Amino acid sequence: DGGITQSPKYLFRKEGQNVTLSCEQNLNHDAMYWYRQDPGQGLRLIYYSQIVNDFQKGDIAEGYSVSREKKESFPLTVTSAQKNPTAFYLCASSMWQGGNNEQFFGPGTRLTVL
Amino acid sequence: DQQVKQNSPSLSVQEGRISILNCDYTNSMFDYFLWYKKYPAEGPTFLISISSIKDKNEDGRFTVFLNKSAKHLSLHIVPSQPGDSAVYFCAASGEYGNKLVFGAGTILRVKS
Repeated sequence: DGGITQSPKYLFRKEGQNVTLSCEQNLNHDAMYWYRQDPGQGLRLIYYSQIVNDFQKGDIAEGYSVSREKKESFPLTVTSAQKNPTAFYLCASSMWQGGNNEQFFGPGTRLTVL
Repeated sequence: DQQVKQNSPSLSVQEGRISILNCDYTNSMFDYFLWYKKYPAEGPTFLISISSIKDKNEDGRFTVFLNKSAKHLSLHIVPSQPGDSAVYFCAASGEYGNKLVFGAGTILRVKS
């Protein structure tokens, strides 16, 4: 089965702690993305990566970091510098070349800071 | 500055009738538009898309209309079914390759 997996589904963190959210895809997609969704808002782009070992900041990158060491994996670290980290985090992937490629989303991780 | 706007936070429709969800955009560089459907605590799923070279695209019960001069698109669902109840997001791309810009979403409730 091809798809995107995110783990864990629910995550709790104490203030001041870093936490890493996992995202894996077996769709052979070049590009991967991290979004955050808050109540009543659309999806906002945190980081994206078009190719292995390269990534770009999105609209709300402050307080987050990523790595792209493998094509299949794009983990997101929420650092203690992120002022309001409680949110629903979504990972997506797509082809990059050729344009007009829809993004496929994982099931999401709900992060709650206690 | 919201480049993609969904001005109706919610919409309620009777089962069997038409649902019309609207989306406006401001960036004339956008040339590809998508609709996603999302259930609570799940990731969005792709529904239908349209390129700026077209003004209509159909897929079963779903039709998307694009009015480039008005920078407006709409999603029509006919007939609406209770299982269509979800949040619908409009998204656009073009200026930044495959990067998508999302609207805030519209909650659709289909009453049986």
